Amino acid sequence: QKEVEQNSGPLSVPEGAIASLNCTYSDRVSQSFFWYRQYSGKSPELIMSIYSNGDKEDGRFTAQLNKASQYVSLLIRDSQPSDSATYLCAAYNTDKLIFGTGTRLQVFP
Amino acid sequence: EAQVTQNPRYLITVTGKKLTVTCSQNMNHEYMSWYRQDPGLGLRQIYYSMNVEVTDKGDVPEGYKVSRKEKRNFPLILESPSPNQTSLYFCASQNRAKNIQYFGAGTRLSVL
Repeated sequence: QKEVEQNSGPLSVPEGAIASLNCTYSDRVSQSFFWYRQYSGKSPELIMSIYSNGDKEDGRFTAQLNKASQYVSLLIRDSQPSDSATYLCAAYNTDKLIFGTGTRLQVFP
Repeated sequence: EAQVTQNPRYLITVTGKKLTVTCSQNMNHEYMSWYRQDPGLGLRQIYYSMNVEVTDKGDVPEGYKVSRKEKRNFPLILESPSPNQTSLYFCASQNRAKNIQYFGAGTRLSVL
């Protein structure tokens, strides 16, 4: 099993809907997780971090961590076309930050 | 303004011609890292440095060298580039207290 795994998508949602992005991880990574957003041709930017079980909300974004099932998810409420991007899940293996391959999100008007 | 600066942004070269991609950060971060990004493979770490004169291999270090002689700079060196090193490269520096990485704008390298 890869250390961090994501479905590559694309995930297509209509404007205003909730987009749900998922990531699973192995025992080889630590319990700190990060969601980065990357627009085409641009560099990744951090949008959420989560360290403990449960939910963490920031504006339209909610990160959810379930350690028992080893998955972390990102919910985007009221999705906008400007949210169309690739979303990268990441976690640490000792001092190395390991990224998933990313899920492409498309929000259509 | 806090930033990570990479140069050049675009580079076309030929097999075997040594090149250096520079990376500089102004946030006084101790941790810096280089990644390459390829379609279907995502971001993969090449090398990282936890402080001056301390560097370690990431997941794909073959064919690359790095140095960390001062805190702000972390250049990536390709001694003899090959076509399989054609990729999009990102430098990043990290706030260790918050475990947040800040990325440069990227360098698109083509090796012919």
